[in-house]
Amino acid sequence: DAKTTQPPSMDCAEGRAANLPCNHSTISGNEYVYWYRQIHSQGPQYIIHGLKNNETNEMASLIITEDRKSSTLILPHATLRDTAVYYCIALPQTGANNLFFGTGTRLTVIP
Amino acid sequence: NAGVMQNPRHLVRRRGQEARLRCSPVKGHSHVYWYRQLPEEGLKFMVYLQKENIIDESGMPKERFSAEFPKEGPSILRIQQVVRGDSAAYFCASSPNSGGYNEQFFGPGTRLTVL
Repeated sequence: DAKTTQPPSMDCAEGRAANLPCNHSTISGNEYVYWYRQIHSQGPQYIIHGLKNNETNEMASLIITEDRKSSTLILPHATLRDTAVYYCIALPQTGANNLFFGTGTRLTVIP
Repeated sequence: NAGVMQNPRHLVRRRGQEARLRCSPVKGHSHVYWYRQLPEEGLKFMVYLQKENIIDESGMPKERFSAEFPKEGPSILRIQQVVRGDSAAYFCASSPNSGGYNEQFFGPGTRLTVL
């Protein structure tokens, strides 16, 4: 599985867009980019995933660069409840049985 | 629909005792994963089970730890002769299909404290 690198922490003003970057320069062609988050003292929560096209759902948007070496998770209008640790994970399409959670980015939404 | 349920939510054991952690997956999910999270660290994969089978236990300590997912009933993570270093949050996740590329639904976790 490709290694991912994320900044350890970020702040975002409430109501503004939160843009969380992730580098995965060694990602292979069959690896998806997944995002999960963990709100304090809770289990992780799936957010979104993508392969090479940008993706959007009710929670967030995922922008993947054309060379797939990096991606950005966008929370369009951050709320205080979005304060959490966000994990970017690269996973192959088949053969992966588990999620590798690195250290993630601790996002703090400021009122 | 009920999500993944774990019990107990908090468990206190003395060194040398046994800890049994239970996980009921989302209804209809036949794949269960256990993860451990030490204080101030990320989650670490322990074991992946399907009904009655252990598929991948590469993250499980070789001694004192075992897991099962019987045909009927919840998945159980069992820790024998607990030590202080076992104090952690243990999370269970389930998925309808195999492979990490499928969304895993996580439970609220069991926080184990070893005195």
